Amino acid sequence: NAGVTQTPKFQVLKTGQSMTLQCAQDMNHEYMSWYRQDPGMGLRLIHYSVGAGITDQGEVPNGYNVSRSTTEDFPLRLLSAAPSQTSVYFCASRTIRDRETDEQYFGPGTRLTVT
Amino acid sequence: KQEVTQIPAALSVPEGENLVLNCSFTDSAIYNLQWFRQDPGKGLTSLLLIQSSQREQTSGRLNASLDKSSGRSTLYIAASQPGDSATYLCAVEGGYNFNKFYFGSGTKLNVKP
Repeated sequence: NAGVTQTPKFQVLKTGQSMTLQCAQDMNHEYMSWYRQDPGMGLRLIHYSVGAGITDQGEVPNGYNVSRSTTEDFPLRLLSAAPSQTSVYFCASRTIRDRETDEQYFGPGTRLTVT
Repeated sequence: KQEVTQIPAALSVPEGENLVLNCSFTDSAIYNLQWFRQDPGKGLTSLLLIQSSQREQTSGRLNASLDKSSGRSTLYIAASQPGDSATYLCAVEGGYNFNKFYFGSGTKLNVKP
């Protein structure tokens, strides 16, 4: 199992550009999520999905779009990048068969800089 | 909204010392609490998950406790080693919104040889 994979590892964008961060998991997990981590802060939830075709907003959804057409993939789209979106982005997945016992598994992260 | 706080923000100890990291949360209606380790420039590695019905969980030199009623969890690391140097994060699922995870800002641990 590859676990949770993210591409790219690093990305530099100019203000106003758009891009898609890719996330994939091979564990057949229903739940997938995107977080951002800013210096000195914990992770903040951007969007999450509990299955194909089902997405919902987290704490900081503005400026980001998601869709979930398959169980394996959960891409995050930045529509018009802003310097405030400079951050490290993590994707995570888990099962939701038993909410009390199922751990989250994280990808290695994408470091995004918007100039 | 669930708020998660970790104290201290940073900790430096000599090798071999036992230490305790603290995590507190404002809404006790949680499903579980998970402790993670994060090395510089890396993703998160799960250390321990405590279910809401459990009081503690152990793995090797690590012991995590949970007191839901007071909104507190501790991570105890026994006989610390330089390889334990990392940032430790706690996260809770639940509170006002289920399906959402709330993270503390972490404790950066440095274990000196």
